[in-house]
Amino acid sequence: GNSVTQMEGPVTLSEEAFLTINCTYTATGYPSLFWYVQYPGEGLQLLLKATKADDKGSNKGFEATYRKETTSFHLEKGSVQVSDSAVYFCALRVKAAGNKLTFGGGTRVLVKP
Amino acid sequence: DTAVSQTPKYLVTQMGNDKSIKCEQNLGHDTMYWYKQDSKKFLKIMFSYNNKELIINETVPNRFSPKSPDKAHLNLHINSLELGDSAVYFCASSQQITPDTQYFGPGTRLTVL
Repeated sequence: GNSVTQMEGPVTLSEEAFLTINCTYTATGYPSLFWYVQYPGEGLQLLLKATKADDKGSNKGFEATYRKETTSFHLEKGSVQVSDSAVYFCALRVKAAGNKLTFGGGTRVLVKP
Repeated sequence: DTAVSQTPKYLVTQMGNDKSIKCEQNLGHDTMYWYKQDSKKFLKIMFSYNNKELIINETVPNRFSPKSPDKAHLNLHINSLELGDSAVYFCASSQQITPDTQYFGPGTRLTVL
């Protein structure tokens, strides 16, 4: 089946620190990969995505590269802000599974001033 | 200009009761979803409808029954509520042709006492 594994949080860091959240996946088929973000009290929002190997998704200073050889899609940001405090979800979709997104367990990130 | 809205935002009820959560989207999307997020933030799809037709039905107890009166609405009715139903329920929507980008509502926090 399809599954996504993320590093467990919470991840606590200071403003301007470097952030990495690890994500690996298993999939039957060729998946598209996503990062969604959930700010406190809100629903999830798509942060970035990549649809084929070696593609890099980027948005709001965040980046993630689709690594087929290591089945990974790690999220990185070079200098975090307090406003980046949120829960981050890695997800995949396989065409054969239709519209279904499979999410990882989420990683809570807390950025302190 | 809320894109995906849910009501109520909070729902506290006793075991054994029947309750409904409503969802509406004004994005013109033709596909809608219900997700359940447990206390550990783990997010799992429950149902998906496309143009009022059920297309994804994960392993969910029969006590949960989605209803889509039109493609802008997807309501969730839950019978005989149990303690384990306590969670945050998210509604989402997308276009059938671009299922990768799903727009989530703010969530409904259900607490069963």
